[in-house]
Amino acid sequence: DIQMTQSPSSLSASVGDRVTISCRASESISTYLNWYQQKPGEAPKILVYAASRLHSGVPLRFSGSGSGTDFTLTISSLQREDFATYYCQQSYSSSQTFGLGTKVEMK
Amino acid sequence: QLQLQESGPGLVKPSETLSLTCTVSGGSISGGNYYWGWVRQPPGRGLEFIGSIYYIGTTTYNPSLKSRVSISLDTSKTQFSLKLKSVTAADTALYFCARESSPPDYTKYFDLWGRGTLVTVSS
Repeated sequence: DIQMTQSPSSLSASVGDRVTISCRASESISTYLNWYQQKPGEAPKILVYAASRLHSGVPLRFSGSGSGTDFTLTISSLQREDFATYYCQQSYSSSQTFGLGTKVEMK
Repeated sequence: QLQLQESGPGLVKPSETLSLTCTVSGGSISGGNYYWGWVRQPPGRGLEFIGSIYYIGTTTYNPSLKSRVSISLDTSKTQFSLKLKSVTAADTALYFCARESSPPDYTKYFDLWGRGTLVTVSS
């Protein structure tokens, strides 16, 4: 299995902050990397697919980058509704795997 | 607007089989660049891919669950189902059904989700 390691596991930030979340794959996955947002009691929502492509309707403050083994999700200016847990997911192998998540909390 | 809804028992006894159904409303599950899958989330923990199925019946399973899992679909009823046999307490989780988009030249990703159903394994 391809292991996905996210960092940090949690972070505290304020509205307006620039937030960066990292995801590292245990082997190269090209750009077969997706990012999801999940709020308590809700299903995950796709934010970014193919490492850098913003899903329809997702605010432009979200962006993704990276290829190979190292990827980044950036929120350029954190909004109140962005406090949530974020997961990366690789779909390079047929056995997809998710990272353990990064919880973004209010400072 | 396409919607997904999970249904099935909320309590399953150890060693028995967990069975869930996902009903898709507002559209078809046949054709197109879509797979239909299951993802679970143990309480307070992260997401785990269980498996997915294409409308022609092609399946992909998580290797760690492959010996116990089966996914099938009924296009006439726009439903797909999950069976997980020989369950233990470790299978207690929130189970989501989801549509997996597979655009040409890009990665597959889950773009539409049900709300999830909690299944507890306990005697």
